[in-house]
Amino acid sequence: QKEVEQDPGPLSVPEGAIVSLNCTYSNSAFQYFMWYRQYSRKGPELLMYTYSSGNKEDGRFTAQVDKSSKYISLFIRDSQPSDSATYLCAMSEGGSQGNLIFGKGTKLSVKP
Amino acid sequence: SAVISQKPSRDICQRGTSLTIQCQVDSQVTMMFWYRQQPGQSLTLIATANQGSEATYESGFVIDKFPISRPNLTFSTLTVSNMSPEDSSIYLCSALQPGKNIQYFGAGTRLSVL
Repeated sequence: QKEVEQDPGPLSVPEGAIVSLNCTYSNSAFQYFMWYRQYSRKGPELLMYTYSSGNKEDGRFTAQVDKSSKYISLFIRDSQPSDSATYLCAMSEGGSQGNLIFGKGTKLSVKP
Repeated sequence: SAVISQKPSRDICQRGTSLTIQCQVDSQVTMMFWYRQQPGQSLTLIATANQGSEATYESGFVIDKFPISRPNLTFSTLTVSNMSPEDSSIYLCSALQPGKNIQYFGAGTRLSVL
């Protein structure tokens, strides 16, 4: 079993839809959870960063962490064509080492 | 957040040659990382590069194949040596933001080996 599982999609939704992206993990020591967005031919850019369990909201984006279920989610409200990208979840045990474990990424397409 | 410049952005190389990828950060950082991103696969950490010490390589990656330099707190290079078509991939560098467990990435180098 891989440490981080993420459905690669592709996922296609109409503009304005609510998008739900998810990852599961097996390592209960993970404490830091991140979502990166990667546009085609670009490097990953940090979208959301959460420590431990709970929710975090930033504009149209909400990140949720459920450590009891080892499950994290990213919700995108009112999705826009500019949200079309690959979304990568990443997580680490913490400390200062920054050793991130990534999911494979979910490719999202938002159709106008 | 740190701004990371990576070059070249892409290259096409012949089998058996070597390519050095450069990574420049606009601020001083302690830890830099090198990743490989293959189609349909997770970002895979190649090595961690700390200034003033030898790079730490992950399982499956060796210094002879991927030598790394870290001459100062804002710069690192990764060399892909004696390339084969299997080395065709995207190579990414990242830097760890001081005081936080957050990595910022460069745009990547797209390498094709013929």
